[in-house]
Amino acid sequence: KNQVEQSPQSLIILEGKNCTLQCNYTVSPFSNLRWYKQDTGRGPVSLTIMTFSENTKSNGRYTATLDADTKQSSLHITASQLSDSASYICVVSVVPSNYKLTFGKGTLLTVNP
Amino acid sequence: NAGVTQTPKFQVLKTGQSMTLQCAQDMNHEYMSWYRQDPGMGLRLIHYSVGAGITDQGEVPNGYNVSRSTTEDFPLRLLSAAPSQTSVYFCASSFDRVPENEQYFGPGTRLTVT
Repeated sequence: KNQVEQSPQSLIILEGKNCTLQCNYTVSPFSNLRWYKQDTGRGPVSLTIMTFSENTKSNGRYTATLDADTKQSSLHITASQLSDSASYICVVSVVPSNYKLTFGKGTLLTVNP
Repeated sequence: NAGVTQTPKFQVLKTGQSMTLQCAQDMNHEYMSWYRQDPGMGLRLIHYSVGAGITDQGEVPNGYNVSRSTTEDFPLRLLSAAPSQTSVYFCASSFDRVPENEQYFGPGTRLTVT
């Protein structure tokens, strides 16, 4: 069964610190991997989309890495801000479309002042 | 651009009642979909559409109906609400043609069935 596992479930850090969120997947075949940010009470917003041939992709202070051989991805947040407090969701696509997406349960990040 | 809009934002239903969750997008996206998000679970696909007049089932379609008469609108109907349908519902849309197509989500509808 296709699965996406995220760790940790939740994380608390101080403002200005860096953090790394992990995503392991067993989805096969693999087309692309996405990271979304979901603020409380809002819909998910796309941060990055990576195909199997990409190792890293950045979006401002967010940098996603992908190792397709080990089926692992990470999202690194640099110099965290209070507005980074949100759930971060890893999503893996079986085919190059939005029909077959497998969503992780998310990592809840809290950034404290 | 308003993006993806959903109404209502909140809804409380009694078991057995019916209702329609509205979703609209103004980005001329071919692909639209409905997800539900439950505590401790990832988003799950209910139904999706690749264009006007074309719909298909997702992972958890039972108890829900959809139709797509225009490119812009994709309503989700609950025919006879059950407590198991208490959830947050998200509508999403994207272009269908490019392989790595970013999906845009609406703000969600929080539904409680008593």
